[in-house]
Amino acid sequence: EVQLVESGGGLVKPGGSLRLSCAASGFTFTNAWMSWVRQAPGKGLEWVGRIKSKTDGGTTDHAAPVKGRFTISRDDSIDTLYLQMNSLNSEDTAVYYCTADRVGDTQFQQWGQGTLVTVSS
Amino acid sequence: DIVMTQSPDSLAVSLGERATISCKSSQSLFMSSTNKNYLAWFQQKPGQPPKLLIYWASTRESGVPDRFSGSGSGTDFTLTISSLRAEDVALYYCLHYYAAPRTFGQGTKLEIK
Repeated sequence: EVQLVESGGGLVKPGGSLRLSCAASGFTFTNAWMSWVRQAPGKGLEWVGRIKSKTDGGTTDHAAPVKGRFTISRDDSIDTLYLQMNSLNSEDTAVYYCTADRVGDTQFQQWGQGTLVTVSS
Repeated sequence: DIVMTQSPDSLAVSLGERATISCKSSQSLFMSSTNKNYLAWFQQKPGQPPKLLIYWASTRESGVPDRFSGSGSGTDFTLTISSLRAEDVALYYCLHYYAAPRTFGQGTKLEIK
């Protein structure tokens, strides 16, 4: 069974940092491109960024609102995706989902349940 | 960056009737090298992650009822629910995955009339 399980969310003060993790199982994580997507309370879905598989270069792309503050990385030895978030502000308050951006010919088929990040003093 | 615009923002349809949601992209999502449109549709219910319904603009995800269909090419795409059921009440989003950054439409709220 395919599973994506996010962790690491919580309450953080403005200007603070947080690292989210996404543990993957049930598919070949090494070959997958992975994305983070967030959803602010009562708002729509927002793509945060993506990391390609190492076979495809392992490069990252980040959305403009988070570029320079957020960094996506992966550890294929333990099938885990990360999102390092620095210089957080209130607009970063959201549920953060990890998703399999591309696995073979499938796109965005698998999603985690999400982890809530609240930025507040 | 590619901008995705959905319409309408909200939609009320009677049970058993057809629901149609439009999604337009600011540039073509068709890639000639693969002959595919890089467009997906998702359904999201409260407190749940998005659920993939359609990918490659018209390919239904396994397990998705056949009352859901996707069509379109280039910059204009449509999600159609042929006969609305109560469990279809949800938010619906389109997403392009043609390149980075990926972008979602703003969402369409589907309700029962």
